[in-house]
Amino acid sequence: GQNIDQPTEMTATEGAIVQINCTYQTSGFNGLFWYQQHAGEAPTFLSYNVLDGLEEKGRFSSFLSRSKGYSYLLLKELQMKDSASYLCAVRDAGGFKTIFGAGTRLFVKA
Amino acid sequence: DARVTQTPRHKVTEMGQEVTMRCQPILGHNTVFWYRQTMMQGLELLAYFRNRAPLDDSGMPKDRFSAEMPDATLATLKIQPSEPRDSAVYFCASGLLEAETQYFGPGTRLLVL
Repeated sequence: GQNIDQPTEMTATEGAIVQINCTYQTSGFNGLFWYQQHAGEAPTFLSYNVLDGLEEKGRFSSFLSRSKGYSYLLLKELQMKDSASYLCAVRDAGGFKTIFGAGTRLFVKA
Repeated sequence: DARVTQTPRHKVTEMGQEVTMRCQPILGHNTVFWYRQTMMQGLELLAYFRNRAPLDDSGMPKDRFSAEMPDATLATLKIQPSEPRDSAVYFCASGLLEAETQYFGPGTRLLVL
């Protein structure tokens, strides 16, 4: 079966660091994605991990452990505009089928 | 600035009516995806195409939904007849076979009364 778990909501303070966790159990694995989605808008691509380790891209970093079925998205120097939903998604081994988690709504407060 | 476009952006219809949603993928992209997003279910994959051929539509209710790509610049998703439970945001996304990411269109917000 396919299962992707991430917290429903998180709150953090402007300027702080927040880590959003994602655990997955899928029948196959060909990469893990993080997308950002602001309310009323389409998801936009943030990061992609296919090998274990940390990928850093500006204020955002994403980590993957395939053996543990675990990933996290790290957001540094939080800004108010980072308030959004963050979607963890896993691509299956066979092709391009991508399964999305329910998303984590992040609230950044002043 | 290449983007995925979707029409209509909003649609309100009555139960039983046919709904057609259209998507123009980014020129040159060879994979196209249809997703549905609701508060309860999140983002669900309905169908996807590779080089215009349907590869997987297992997420779609077959009796009322159909997805096609009549040419490389147009993908359609039809619901006939529509039901109130079909109310959702429908996203189209496109990508390259060898690339990592999908680019999402702005979505069609469908309300079936």
